[in-house]
Amino acid sequence: DSGVTQTPKHLITATGQRVTLRCSPRSGDLSVYWYQQSLDQGLQFLIQYYNGEERAKGNILERFSAQQFPDLHSELNLSSLELGDSALYFCASSASSGSNQPQHFGDGTRLSIL
Amino acid sequence: KNQVEQSPQSLIILEGKNCTLQCNYTVSPFSNLRWYKQDTGRGPVSLTIMTFSENTKSNGRYTATLDADTKQSSLHITASQLSDSASYICVVSAAGNNRKLIWGLGTSLAVNP
Repeated sequence: DSGVTQTPKHLITATGQRVTLRCSPRSGDLSVYWYQQSLDQGLQFLIQYYNGEERAKGNILERFSAQQFPDLHSELNLSSLELGDSALYFCASSASSGSNQPQHFGDGTRLSIL
Repeated sequence: KNQVEQSPQSLIILEGKNCTLQCNYTVSPFSNLRWYKQDTGRGPVSLTIMTFSENTKSNGRYTATLDADTKQSSLHITASQLSDSASYICVVSAAGNNRKLIWGLGTSLAVNP
């Protein structure tokens, strides 16, 4: 158990809809990262937050947004969903924003767009 | 362009055998290199993190090596077990203000009885 909690585990919705994915980091971790993993693809980094502030941005679409709240949990909002957004979305956390910190991953939210 | 390439793409071995997975990278400037294990449908789990000055690091039956001159790393698995069946992902961190993690596509390992 990594200590990172993601909800929901599964989400099924239709094109054009909007969903929110939630992540609770490990106790004491200040950094949260979001990743997308499509079928048989590598992990694609989306965005990182550190102590409530955006720290780094990856290949995140304009239709996607995220935030980290004062209690350090984070939400990833996906809007105007398209079929290609179907993927596993992982959240990871680390103690700080340092690049030598290991990231601890949750078990992901599987998003299916019908 | 910063890239991480892993080989082989997939590998099948018999239980009890050893195997070695390869990772070549072109990331510069280099900060550290990580190996993760990802079971199907689960999040990746960190195996090792190595900085520029470290040549080898072990975690149980997993041993990672790093040659920063040739920009190559390997992950050696000793006495494989069925539970080693997973994807093994090499990740390289760039140094500096960027500090991006560049993820490889992974090697899919199947350990058969």
